[in-house]
Amino acid sequence: GAGVSQSPSNKVTEKGKDVELRCDPISGHTALYWYRQSLGQGLEFLIYFQGNSAPDKSGLPSDRFSAERTGGSVSTLTIQRTQQEDSAVYLCASSSLLVDTQYFGPGTRLTVL
Amino acid sequence: AQKITQTQPGMFVQEKEAVTLDCTYDTSDQSYGLFWYKQPSSGEMIFLIYQGSYDEQNATEGRYSLNFQKARKSANLVISASQLGDSAMYFCAMRKLGSGTYKYIFGTGTRLKVLA
Repeated sequence: GAGVSQSPSNKVTEKGKDVELRCDPISGHTALYWYRQSLGQGLEFLIYFQGNSAPDKSGLPSDRFSAERTGGSVSTLTIQRTQQEDSAVYLCASSSLLVDTQYFGPGTRLTVL
Repeated sequence: AQKITQTQPGMFVQEKEAVTLDCTYDTSDQSYGLFWYKQPSSGEMIFLIYQGSYDEQNATEGRYSLNFQKARKSANLVISASQLGDSAMYFCAMRKLGSGTYKYIFGTGTRLKVLA
């Protein structure tokens, strides 16, 4: 597809379970970002990838959060032992180094019961 | 530390009127970029306009223009001839430019409602 895609669009899980969120960036975009948006709030930066490496993971809230990117394309954000405060929309964005503009996916709405 | 402040949690504007959404920023960096994004109720973030700190001209993109006042550290978004479809959340964001810096800082947003 032409845009950034994310899956699943919605995820409901029980406290303590692990979840994986997927992001497919725009083809050819080397930069990939993960953000978290709590209800009615702005975007909270989580992690940035350049290619497969993550030069900046300073926004990950705890060691329960991890992310990886393979083949310079798809990225997975994993949240272990989910807590209710993890409930939010998780947004992924990608950009080309030539054009400093992020293009966002539709997000994954995570609800932890 | 970098910070973005959007002081207007909500704004109303009459259709076809112009509206200004405020954004002030705090940074000690010399080279930075300023961005505006629109987030409709569908949730997807849509890039609107970009201004570089060294750009001498204010950025414009169609009905969107960025009123960049560097000395005041403000980057207000002006939407001309508002349309009903402009109703959305609007976020101002900033990023330091240069190698090794990738983090975008977002403001808390302004919810714009365009009235018919």
